[in-house]
Amino acid sequence: AQSVTQPDIHITVSEGASLELRCNYSYGATPYLFWYVQSPGQGLQLLLKYFSGDTLVQGIKGFEAEFKRSQSSFNLRKPSVHWSDAAEYFCAVVPMNRDDKIIFGKGTRLHILP
Amino acid sequence: DAEITQSPRHKITETGRQVTLACHQTWNHNNMFWYRQDLGHGLRLIHYSYGVHDTNKGEVSDGYSVSRSNTEDLPLTLESAASSQTSVYFCASSEKGKQYFGPGTRLTVT
Repeated sequence: AQSVTQPDIHITVSEGASLELRCNYSYGATPYLFWYVQSPGQGLQLLLKYFSGDTLVQGIKGFEAEFKRSQSSFNLRKPSVHWSDAAEYFCAVVPMNRDDKIIFGKGTRLHILP
Repeated sequence: DAEITQSPRHKITETGRQVTLACHQTWNHNNMFWYRQDLGHGLRLIHYSYGVHDTNKGEVSDGYSVSRSNTEDLPLTLESAASSQTSVYFCASSEKGKQYFGPGTRLTVT
């Protein structure tokens, strides 16, 4: 079945440590790929997106993501997290030829230790 | 500036009542979407529309309806509210793969 999987429901890292949040998708063709962040009680903010081209995508707040076609993955990374990065992160895809219908993963809650 | 708004931002209603959540966008986008967000489920698609008079069911459409009489608005109606519909609802519009989300409506059904 077509799906977006974020295998980690919760992740805890220390402030200043590096971060990688995993995302895998199962669609036949390469979809459009997105990462969103949601702080408690807030709406969704787009961190970065991949449509085509360079497979390493830079986003806001120091985040980057790498598209790996062979692994059907689009993992989000940050070299050094800050306490303000504590939030929920959603991977999302728009399957090709599906007229912008976005499918979300279930999210990963990031906790930061001081 | 173009934007997407939702109203009300918070709503408390009783089981069995009809409730309508408003979504209005000023980008003139043809594509509009309604999602609900629940703990452990992420965002799930309820209904979507690709243009005036077009509506389609999403993943969790039971108990919800939408209508699209103009480009700017896609109201979401809960015909008979149930406690299981307590959630945060997000509206979005999109063009060429980029989605713009509204601020959300927190609905509580008691």
